[in-house]
Amino acid sequence: KNEVEQSPQNLTAQEGEFITINCSYSVGISALHWLQQHPGGGIVSLFMLSSGKKKHGRLIATINIQEKHSSLHITASHPRDSAVYICAVGPGAQKLVFGQGTRLTINP
Amino acid sequence: DAGVIQSPRHEVTEMGQEVTLRCKPISGHNSLFWYRQTMMRGLELLIYFNNNVPIDDSGMPEDRFSAKMPNASFSTLKIQPSEPRDSAVYFCASTLVGTGELFFGEGSRLTVL
Repeated sequence: KNEVEQSPQNLTAQEGEFITINCSYSVGISALHWLQQHPGGGIVSLFMLSSGKKKHGRLIATINIQEKHSSLHITASHPRDSAVYICAVGPGAQKLVFGQGTRLTINP
Repeated sequence: DAGVIQSPRHEVTEMGQEVTLRCKPISGHNSLFWYRQTMMRGLELLIYFNNNVPIDDSGMPEDRFSAKMPNASFSTLKIQPSEPRDSAVYFCASTLVGTGELFFGEGSRLTVL
């Protein structure tokens, strides 16, 4: 069993839909990261959180430390949100363990 | 700030050739990471430096891989000799120790024929 599991692996939705991507982990962490990677592009850090919830524009990230689970939500999804979303956890930035990613496609 | 800068963006080479990838971290950051991304294995940490000193190189696949950070603004990852299985995207990232947030470069896509 992987230390970081993301679901779903692939997700296709229509523009405007509410999107949820899940991340479960089994290792001890000090923080969880959500990263975004566009096709052929670099990696952008969306959120780093250790408790509760963070919001940035249409993106919301939540974490439940007791359950070892985090979710990334996208409201009013748009085709430009199409990307791979990667969850990463660890005791610090130095020892991050990465999930395999969730490939999101938003159709117009 | 220009962000983390990697070069080259794309490299195609033949098996056996030496490959050197370069990274300039964000000014003021004191921790630098090299990652490799493949379809099969996703993102993997190869090595990281704190204050220009290699701290953990346990992810470096084998002796063909080496990394240096001669100063706070420059790092290299070298593969010699290269093999087709080294084909991947190599990312450099930097952070300020204690803050935790990673900043990634655009990556260097390596193809070894």
